[in-house]
Amino acid sequence: DTAVSQTPKYLVTQMGNDKSIKCEQNLGHDTMYWYKQDSKKFLKIMFSYNNKELIINETVPNRFSPKSPDKAHLNLHINSLELGDSAVYFCASSQDSPGTSPYNEQFFGPGTRLTVL
Amino acid sequence: AQKVTQAQTEISVVEKEDVTLDCVYETRDTTYYLFWYKQPPSGELVFLIRRNSFDEQNEISGRYSWNFQKSTSSFNFTITASQVVDSAVYFCALSERYGNKLVFGAGTILRVKS
Repeated sequence: DTAVSQTPKYLVTQMGNDKSIKCEQNLGHDTMYWYKQDSKKFLKIMFSYNNKELIINETVPNRFSPKSPDKAHLNLHINSLELGDSAVYFCASSQDSPGTSPYNEQFFGPGTRLTVL
Repeated sequence: AQKVTQAQTEISVVEKEDVTLDCVYETRDTTYYLFWYKQPPSGELVFLIRRNSFDEQNEISGRYSWNFQKSTSSFNFTITASQVVDSAVYFCALSERYGNKLVFGAGTILRVKS
C-alpha cells in the first residue's frame, strides 16, 4: 500500500493552462504539505494544511491554490501556468499538529514532474 | 530565521570508502529537530533519521552514523564502506518548534563509483 500517493507522476502542459495535482495519504496523518523542488534540486515548502485548515502559506503566488476536501487529501491547483512553474512538486504528510512540536518525520509522495512549455 | 547549509555540492568516492556529508544549521529556537533525507535517482524522498535538539547522542544504523554537535550547530552524516546504491542526493533539514515545516539544505550529490 502506498502511504502518500500523487497523480499524475508527469504533467506536460502549455503556458497559460490550468492544471491540478492530486495527493492522498493513507497514514491517518493530520497534517499535509506541498513542497516545490526546482531544477537545482532545492526543496522549499509551499503550503501546509492541518485537518483541512491552511496553516502555512509561504509567499506562493496566488495562482497556486491548495484544496483539502478532507484530511487525507490535499490537492494543488495552478492557474495560468508559467515557464517558471516547471519543477517537481512533492506532497508530504506527518502526524504533527499546529502548536505542538513538529517531532514527527514527514513522509513524502513520489513527486509530480511538471513541465511548462 | 532558520537556515541549513550543506557546503558540499557534490562528492565522488570509490566503493568501500567512508564518506561524511556535512550539515550546519542556524536557528534561534532552543527546541528544534534535525532530519536527513535521501533522494535516489528514482526521485522519491526517503526519511533516514530524526534528531531533537536536546538529544546529542550520536546514532549508528548499520553503515550509517550521525554526529550531532550543538556547540558547532552541526549534524553530520557518515556512510561507512560506501556502496554504489548509496549514490543519491542527501538533504539535511531543520524544523523549529511550532514551525510545522521543514527547511532543507541545498543537498549534497553523492556519487559512489565501483
